[in-house]
Amino acid sequence: DIQVTQSPSSLSASVGDRVTITCQANQTISNFLNWYQQRPGKAPQLLIYTASSLQTGVPSRFSGSGSGTDFTLTINNLQPDDFATYYCQQSFSTAPWTFGQGTKVEVK
Amino acid sequence: EVQLVESGGGLVQPGGSLRLACAASGFKFSSYSMNWVRQAPGKGLEWISYISGTGLTSAYIASVKGRFIISRDNAHNSLFLQMNSLRAEDTAVYYCTRDRRFPRGGYIDFWGQGALVTVSS
Repeated sequence: DIQVTQSPSSLSASVGDRVTITCQANQTISNFLNWYQQRPGKAPQLLIYTASSLQTGVPSRFSGSGSGTDFTLTINNLQPDDFATYYCQQSFSTAPWTFGQGTKVEVK
Repeated sequence: EVQLVESGGGLVQPGGSLRLACAASGFKFSSYSMNWVRQAPGKGLEWISYISGTGLTSAYIASVKGRFIISRDNAHNSLFLQMNSLRAEDTAVYYCTRDRRFPRGGYIDFWGQGALVTVSS
């Protein structure tokens, strides 16, 4: 199975900060990498698909980049609603689709 | 508006069985493949199973293969997960999800609110 490793597992930031989360796959996955946000007690929501495409309705302060094995989620001008846990997920393999361990963005 | 509503969660003893259901609305159900994704308490997300729009193709993560069965009823816009031989480590919130799946790649674009399954004696 393809493994994806996120870092860091948690970070502290302030409103207005720029936040970067990375995801590394253990083999090349082209650009088949998605990002999700999960607020406490809620279901996850899709933010970014195929590495850099912004899902409809997602604010433009979210962006994704990368290809091959290394990917990045960037949040510019962090807002109060953005304190949440973020997951990457690969879909290069038909099955299983695998998620990273998650990155919790906390208030500094 | 796309809606996915899970039901059937609850407390079950180790070795027992449970059947989750997901009622879908707001889209042409038979045109989309569907998945179950779970999240153990305080842990991350784990994809566990997928079924194609026709129901003819399915896949499972190794830890549930042979114990869980995914199925769907396109006439009634419903997705199911039959869970047998349940173990304590199956305790989790189970999410019904819709995906956009291509010959290569895809993503989950809608999630239900989740159903809690607790396996304990």
